[in-house]
Amino acid sequence: GQNIDQPTEMTATEGAIVQINCTYQTSGFNGLFWYQQHAGEAPTFLSYNVLDGLEEKGRFSSFLSRSKGYSYLLLKELQMKDSASYLCAVMDSNYQLIWGAGTKLIIKP
Amino acid sequence: NAGVTQTPKFQVLKTGQSMTLQCAQDMNHEYMSWYRQDPGMGLRLIHYSVGAGITDQGEVPNGYNVSRSTTEDFPLRLLSAAPSQTSVYFCASRWTGGGGANVLTFGAGSRLTVL
Repeated sequence: GQNIDQPTEMTATEGAIVQINCTYQTSGFNGLFWYQQHAGEAPTFLSYNVLDGLEEKGRFSSFLSRSKGYSYLLLKELQMKDSASYLCAVMDSNYQLIWGAGTKLIIKP
Repeated sequence: NAGVTQTPKFQVLKTGQSMTLQCAQDMNHEYMSWYRQDPGMGLRLIHYSVGAGITDQGEVPNGYNVSRSTTEDFPLRLLSAAPSQTSVYFCASRWTGGGGANVLTFGAGSRLTVL
């Protein structure tokens, strides 16, 4: 079957760095996506990886290793507004997204 | 540019009632989809469409119907509501060009409670 695993919850301190991991097993691979979802709101797109390596976008970076079925989202200089759930999703061979359950990130002052 | 518009935002139904969740997008996206989101679970695909007149089932289609008569609109119908359909529903759309074009844009969500 297809499976996406990510930690349920993480806690970090304002100004620090946090890494959210995602491992996947899917039927085919057509890219990995990270979305941010604030409580009571819709998911919004953060990053996309299809080739191995690191993609940097401001305070956020996303890494992919296709051979290991592994990705991480790195958030630097954490701000209180980064408190949200972070969703990992993989696009399979049918171009459908398989979603992880999300990681709730709690930022403490 | 409104993006993806979903209505209603909140709805309470009694078991056995039917209703339609509306979804419209103004980005000329070919692909439209409906997800439900439940606590502790990933987003689950209910139905999707790759263009007007074409619909297909996702992971959890039972109890739901869809139609796609225009590029813009993709309503989701609950035929006979059950408490198990209590959830938050998201409509989402994207291009079908592949690669980074596959980014989904989500509507604001519809919170449905079935008593």
